[in-house]
Amino acid sequence: RKEVEQDPGPFNVPEGATVAFNCTYSNSASQSFFWYRQDCRKEPKLLMSVYSSGNEDGRFTAQLNRASQYISLLIRDSKLSDSATYLCVVNIDDMRFGAGTRLTVKP
Amino acid sequence: GAVVSQHPSWVICKSGTSVKIECRSLDFQATTMFWYRQFPKQSLMLMATSNEGSKATYEQGVEKDKFLINHASLTLSTLTVTSAHPEDSSFYICSARSGTYNEQFFGPGTRLTVL
Repeated sequence: RKEVEQDPGPFNVPEGATVAFNCTYSNSASQSFFWYRQDCRKEPKLLMSVYSSGNEDGRFTAQLNRASQYISLLIRDSKLSDSATYLCVVNIDDMRFGAGTRLTVKP
Repeated sequence: GAVVSQHPSWVICKSGTSVKIECRSLDFQATTMFWYRQFPKQSLMLMATSNEGSKATYEQGVEKDKFLINHASLTLSTLTVTSAHPEDSSFYICSARSGTYNEQFFGPGTRLTVL
């Protein structure tokens, strides 16, 4: 089983849509959790950390369920600029990346 | 956020040559640096973890004699791909972590093409 598994995608959605990404992780000792965004041929950039209580940053909402070892990211009112690959990242002693989910937002 | 640079940003070389990639933390001291490799349409795969002044710890399946890592100072780590072959063509990304913060900061990556 992979350490971090994500929806394979791709997700193709119209502008304004709401889209949700799911992620599961295998190591219950994982300490911290993140969503990163990666644009084509660029390095990953931190989108947001994920906390047990859930957290929101503008149009983005992240949730963590430690009991189920499940992480989610919700994007509301999608913009064209949201098109990217979204990486679920779990930190134990180092960061472990999911394979990423490709999102394309279309006009 | 903190800044991490990589040099070169891209390199094309002939098969059999060695390529050195530098990773620098510009505004903080990186006690730990990580090297990742990403093949097209795949996720980042951790290659090795290096702590300043000590030998790198390599992930299973990564040849330490082929991918030489040096972390001689708190702001610089280098990855040398020795005797590169076309299958080594990939996007190599470093990241750095300070002793203070849990977050890792990524360099912009180096795209290696071996002909």
